[in-house]
Amino acid sequence: DADVTQTPRNRITKTGKRIMLECSQTKGHDRMYWYRQDPGLGLRLIYYSFDVKDINKGEISDGYSVSRQAQAKFSLSLESAIPNQTALYFCATSDNRGYEQYFGPGTRLTVT
Amino acid sequence: GENVEQHPSTLSVQEGDSAVIKCTYSDSASNYFPWYKQELGKRPQLIIDIRSNVGEKKDQRIAVTLNKTAKHFSLHITETQPEDSAVYFCAPRIYNQGGKLIFGQGTELSVKP
Repeated sequence: DADVTQTPRNRITKTGKRIMLECSQTKGHDRMYWYRQDPGLGLRLIYYSFDVKDINKGEISDGYSVSRQAQAKFSLSLESAIPNQTALYFCATSDNRGYEQYFGPGTRLTVT
Repeated sequence: GENVEQHPSTLSVQEGDSAVIKCTYSDSASNYFPWYKQELGKRPQLIIDIRSNVGEKKDQRIAVTLNKTAKHFSLHITETQPEDSAVYFCAPRIYNQGGKLIFGQGTELSVKP
């Protein structure tokens, strides 16, 4: 689904480095989400935004921050990466009814 | 917080058999119950969903049933095919927490030809 894109797709970084993951969407949705996926743990919500001025913490926000630069762009930052942040990160969007979520292709992040 | 559990965590069936995955949740105010499929190396995608005013919904070989009293809903796949092999996630929507979806841990379904 090219409507939701993520950059980079893969990233290897070192402990202590700052890194930003970017998400863009052309679906015109107001709601955007960042999830983290680890084997056996499903998808866990990091942050979500219901519009440009509304940003909320999810269940695992510690060590992460976000920026909603525009309706179409939602970035996730790791201020000082640590190895246990190694995971697959997904961005998702939904319309204001909040039913179906549309996922990006994911970013595989490795922190060494 | 909301507790969501999926069972089983892994499921292996022969091609043509049926598969059932169950999801239990704790928030009685939940009002939307989707199932997502994630193929290996791909993104999760919605395959079927049900709203709280409906007990069952079918779409070809897949169906979802809801028991609001017992707070669980199930995914049913009939006549399984190798391309059904994937990880399946339930994700009930939490009504009183801004409508967030809470994903279960996932069920890895393997369909053997």
